[in-house]
Amino acid sequence: AQSVTQLGSHVSVSEGALVLLRCNYSSSVPPYLFWYVQYPNQGLQLLLKYTSAATLVKGINGFEAEFKKSETSFHLTKPSAHMSDAAEYFCAVTSYGNNRLAFGKGNQVVVIP
Amino acid sequence: GAGVSQSPSNKVTEKGKDVELRCDPISGHTALYWYRQSLGQGLEFLIYFQGNSAPDKSGLPSDRFSAERTGGSVSTLTIQRTQQEDSAVYLCASSSVAGTGKADTQYFGPGTRLTVL
Repeated sequence: AQSVTQLGSHVSVSEGALVLLRCNYSSSVPPYLFWYVQYPNQGLQLLLKYTSAATLVKGINGFEAEFKKSETSFHLTKPSAHMSDAAEYFCAVTSYGNNRLAFGKGNQVVVIP
Repeated sequence: GAGVSQSPSNKVTEKGKDVELRCDPISGHTALYWYRQSLGQGLEFLIYFQGNSAPDKSGLPSDRFSAERTGGSVSTLTIQRTQQEDSAVYLCASSSVAGTGKADTQYFGPGTRLTVL
């Protein structure tokens, strides 16, 4: 079974500071990895995804993530936090032929002005 | 273009009642998924439909839960004899083609917030 671990349910970051959200996965087959963002009372919006091509993936809103197989990680970063980045972020994993996403518990990001 | 839509956005019901939740996927998407988001369990897979194939129901938590997809488009998730632990946000997603070796993006609807009193 595939799984994802996201540590730290709540993450506080100062406006303009680096945003770093950690995601570690477990998968016995090559994974496909995703980061989704959820704003209050809304569904999940895709930020970026890794599909076995480039290991450094750039997404929307200035976010990027790097796939590191040796560390089984797919951490999400943004160089400079903006107030509009306040939301919940989910890492998810799936694989070839799989028909479901396995999500982490999520990180609630608070941006401090 | 139109995204995934779900109705109702909120549903309050009494314990023991049946509820139906509706999902309209993105036009042309053959794969449809239901997930449940709750405080205690996070985001959990419930069921998956792909074209005319038999659905994957392995994520349904009990036989009180069922879903159907009519005409390969609209889907309804039915919960019978609702319990308080069924209170959650039920999310629907669709994708163009699943299981092709490509990481097909799942596009999510806004969800239905179910509260069982």
